[in-house]
Amino acid sequence: GDSVTQMEGPVTLSEEAFLTINCTYTATGYPSLFWYVQYPGEGLQLLLKATKADDKGSNKGFEATYRKETTSFHLEKGSVQVSDSAVYFCALSGGGSNYKLTFGKGTLLTVNP
Amino acid sequence: DTGVSQNPRHKITKRGQNVTFRCDPISEHNRLYWYRQTLGQGPEFLTYFQNEAQLEKSRLLSDRFSAERPKGSFSTLEIQRTEQGDSAMYLCASSLDRGRDGYTFGSGTRLTVV
Repeated sequence: GDSVTQMEGPVTLSEEAFLTINCTYTATGYPSLFWYVQYPGEGLQLLLKATKADDKGSNKGFEATYRKETTSFHLEKGSVQVSDSAVYFCALSGGGSNYKLTFGKGTLLTVNP
Repeated sequence: DTGVSQNPRHKITKRGQNVTFRCDPISEHNRLYWYRQTLGQGPEFLTYFQNEAQLEKSRLLSDRFSAERPKGSFSTLEIQRTEQGDSAMYLCASSLDRGRDGYTFGSGTRLTVV
């Protein structure tokens, strides 16, 4: 079945540092890929998405590129802020999953001032 | 439209009691999903509806769990004879058609079984 593997956390960075959170996936067909963010005590918010190979999703300074050849969708941000502290989830839909979302386990990011 | 609404936000119940959660999706979304999230884990799929039809149920959804979506609008998730292992965040999401552009999640209902 479909699955998502993302780097284990927690990740702790200083403000203005560069962020990378790795995500790889296994899926049949051509899934859509997503990054969701969850702030403490809240539900999940869609951060960015990509629906086909080589697409780049971007939002709020975050970027991720759909790499079919490496089955990856790594999240990057050039300069993190304290307000970026949250849990980040990589997810896919489509492929063999009948379009329900399959999530990774999440990566906790803490940004210190 | 204010997004996906879930009620209550928090529920504490004694083991063995029944609980019911409600989800109001975005009005034009025809698909509705229930997920469960435990501490330190990603959300796990429970079930989904297309309009009023429940099309798929996860093996995680034991006989004590039942979900409905009458008239294809709001949905309810009921847990009978709650157990401590049912303690989790229950998330509802909705999407238009197959959701290739993403799903919209509610804020969740946090269930604590004591």
